[in-house]
Amino acid sequence: GDSVTQMEGPVTLSEEAFLTINCTYTATGYPSLFWYVQYPGEGLQLLLKATKADDKGSNKGFEATYRKETTSFHLEKGSVQVSDSAVYFCALSGAQGGSEKLVFGKGTKLTVNP
Amino acid sequence: GAGVSQTPSNKVTEKGKYVELRCDPISGHTALYWYRQSLGQGPEFLIYFQGTGAADDSGLPNDRFFAVRPEGSVSTLKIQRTERGDSAMYLCASSLGSGNTIYFGEGSWLTVV
Repeated sequence: GDSVTQMEGPVTLSEEAFLTINCTYTATGYPSLFWYVQYPGEGLQLLLKATKADDKGSNKGFEATYRKETTSFHLEKGSVQVSDSAVYFCALSGAQGGSEKLVFGKGTKLTVNP
Repeated sequence: GAGVSQTPSNKVTEKGKYVELRCDPISGHTALYWYRQSLGQGPEFLIYFQGTGAADDSGLPNDRFFAVRPEGSVSTLKIQRTERGDSAMYLCASSLGSGNTIYFGEGSWLTVV
């Protein structure tokens, strides 16, 4: 079945460091890809998405490009802030015959120190 | 309301008891989803409603789990004969339908002792 694999955490960075969180997927069909973020004490929020190959999603300085050839959707940010500390989830949907359900990775906890 | 609302935020129950978790979606959202998230894991899909009907219930783990959405708005997730393995965060989400952004609530923590 469809699945998402993302890099194990936790990840600890200093402020202004470069961030990469790797995400690869296995899916039949042509899924849409997402990054969700969960800040401490809050619900999941959509960070960015891409719906077809070579699309780049971006928001709040974060970017991810849908790479069909490598089945990847890595999350990057050039300069992280303390406020970016959260758990990040990679997810896909729409793979199996247009299914609406989201399939999530296990999450990567990011801590940014001042 | 402004966002997806879930009640209770925390529930502790004894093994074997019956539990109901409520979800109030964003007004006007026709699609509603339930997910379960265990510690250290990503959310796992349980069930998806389009309007009043369950369009996909393939994620419900067994027949102790059931969900309803009788009027196409509020939904209730019902768990019978709870087991300790049911302890998890139960997340509800809603959207305007296919292809639209899915908005999540803050979840209901269920602990079965």
